[in-house]
Amino acid sequence: QSVLTQPPSTSGTPGQRVTISCSGSSSNIGINYVYWYQQLPGTAPKLLIYRNNKRPSGVPDRFSGSKSGASASLAISGLRSEDEADYYCAAWDDSLSGHVVFGGGTKLTVL
Amino acid sequence: QVQVVQSGAEVKRPGASLKVSCKTSGYTFTGYYIHWVRQAPGQGLEWMGWINPDSGDTHYAPKFQGRVTMTSDTSISTAYMELSRVKSDDTAVYYCARDPLGATGAEYWGQGTLVTVSS
Repeated sequence: QSVLTQPPSTSGTPGQRVTISCSGSSSNIGINYVYWYQQLPGTAPKLLIYRNNKRPSGVPDRFSGSKSGASASLAISGLRSEDEADYYCAAWDDSLSGHVVFGGGTKLTVL
Repeated sequence: QVQVVQSGAEVKRPGASLKVSCKTSGYTFTGYYIHWVRQAPGQGLEWMGWINPDSGDTHYAPKFQGRVTMTSDTSISTAYMELSRVKSDDTAVYYCARDPLGATGAEYWGQGTLVTVSS
């Protein structure tokens, strides 16, 4: 059971906007930054969002992140077939100083 | 350019130890933490710990404390993760990553190393 809670799956049609939630606690998301990763089948995770809402170079602005209290969200607008992947949130957790927690992952299906 | 290259796939017997290497290039090795993350077949990402190659300091997830050892060799810009007394549920792809939760978003991951534990 993951420390950060994500829905196991979600879906959308091309062009649609979808959001993926990530719920944590006061020891992780509540006081630390949230990071979002995309993982395509058979590949290493790729960073999509860092420090709650910043995009690394090369990540399209269709991807955006937000945080409120101990929860965070990843939004994907203008959904495309190549967005079909697993998405993970992560954060540092201060309950055991210096360790990292991941969400269980959300499988996005583009219908 | 930054490169992170891991050692190849392995098969281990239960009770043995596994050791995965993570060779880096293209940046100052001692300037960034290296994290290890694993992924069992069909499962999510599981954080194992980190090493600071500059100081050698480490921090391990409680689940792996006592079984995992992370080290680094600054002379060859390589990090290592050793897991002892492996069991079948240690079968997973093991990833190393440079500073995956950093301040700049400039993270780099290795390609992953599949370790199969089977008798």
